[in-house]
Order: sequence, then C-alpha cells, then structure tokens
Amino acid sequence: GQNIDQPTEMTATEGAIVQINCTYQTSGFNGLFWYQQHAGEAPTFLSYNVLDGLEEKGRFSSFLSRSKGYSYLLLKELQMKDSASYLCAVLDSNYQLIWGAGTKLIIKP
Amino acid sequence: DVKVTQSSRYLVKRTGEKVFLECVQDMDHENMFWYRQDPGLGLRLIYFSYDVKMKEKGDIPEGYSVSREKKERFSLILESASTNQTSMYLCASSPGTRHTDTQYFGPGTRLTVL
Repeated sequence: GQNIDQPTEMTATEGAIVQINCTYQTSGFNGLFWYQQHAGEAPTFLSYNVLDGLEEKGRFSSFLSRSKGYSYLLLKELQMKDSASYLCAVLDSNYQLIWGAGTKLIIKP
Repeated sequence: DVKVTQSSRYLVKRTGEKVFLECVQDMDHENMFWYRQDPGLGLRLIYFSYDVKMKEKGDIPEGYSVSREKKERFSLILESASTNQTSMYLCASSPGTRHTDTQYFGPGTRLTVL
C-alpha cells in the first residue's frame, strides 16, 4: 500500500529552527509537496520538490532524497504565526496526490 | 490571487437528509477536487473533475456524488447523509495543464450529521 509518515506533533521555541520529516512509500513518484494549514483554515502551498536536494524559499527550505523516500521541511527563525499543521503529499505514478496526516507544530515564546 | 469559496463554513444535518456542498473558483481552473479531512488521517480524495461535465472517482467515493455543470462550480452531494460522513470537507482547484500544478484550497465546510 501507499504510505506517508510524519510526526503527529512537534514543539519548538520562537526564534529557533525546526525540521519536520516526511517519509513515503508510494507506487511511483512524481514530486512531493508541502502545505501549511492554520487551524480552521485552508491548506496553502509551501513547496514542491521533484529532484534531490534542498530548495530554499526565505525562512522555509524543503529537502528531498528520492532514493531514501524522505523529505524534510526546515523552518528557521520561528515566529508565533508559524504555529500550524504542515502537510506532506506525494504525487504517485498515476499523478494522484497521497497525503500524510500532517504535523501539528506548536511554537512557544 | 486565486480564490476558492465554499458555500458554508459550518453545516448541521440529520441522518438521511440530502446535502449539497458547493464550491466555486474564480481563476478559470480546469481541475477541481473534493476531499475530506479527518483527525489523524491525511486528506482523502472523494471525487475530482478535469473538465465540465466530467468526473472521476477518488479513493472514497461511496455515499457521495458530484456535479460540474459549469467550469467554475463543483458540487458535492451526499444523497443520504450518515453519521460517518461527519467531517471537514475541502474543495480545491488547480490550473490543470500539468499534474504537478499546485492545488488551491477553499476554507472548508465542517459538516456534522446527527
């Protein structure tokens, strides 16, 4: 079966750095997405990786290793507004999105 | 900015009622999707549509149907609501020229079936 694993919840301190991991086992791979979802709101796009390596976008970076079936989202200089759920999703060989359950990130002052 | 709107943020219905959830996007996107989101589970695809009057089943279509009569509007129908359909329902759209296009989500409808 197809599976996406992410930690259920993480806690970090304002101003610090946090890494949210995502491992996947899917039938084929056509890219990996990260979305941010604040409580009660719509998920919003953060990043898309299809090649191995690190993509940096401001305070957020996303890394992919296809051989390991692994990605992480790195958030630097954490702010209180970064408190949200972070969803990992993989596009499989049929171009269907397989979603992880999401990681709830709690930022403490 | 892409805008995806859903007809209700909160909805309470009784078992056996017919329920309509409406979704409208204003960016002329080809693709539209309906998901449900439950605690501890990833988003699960119910139905999607790549064109007007076209629909495809997702992973969990049982108990649901959809309608896409106009490009901008995609409706999810629960023919006879049941308590296990209590959930958050999210609509999304994407431009559609590439499968790797970003999906843009609406704010969601939290449906409670009593």
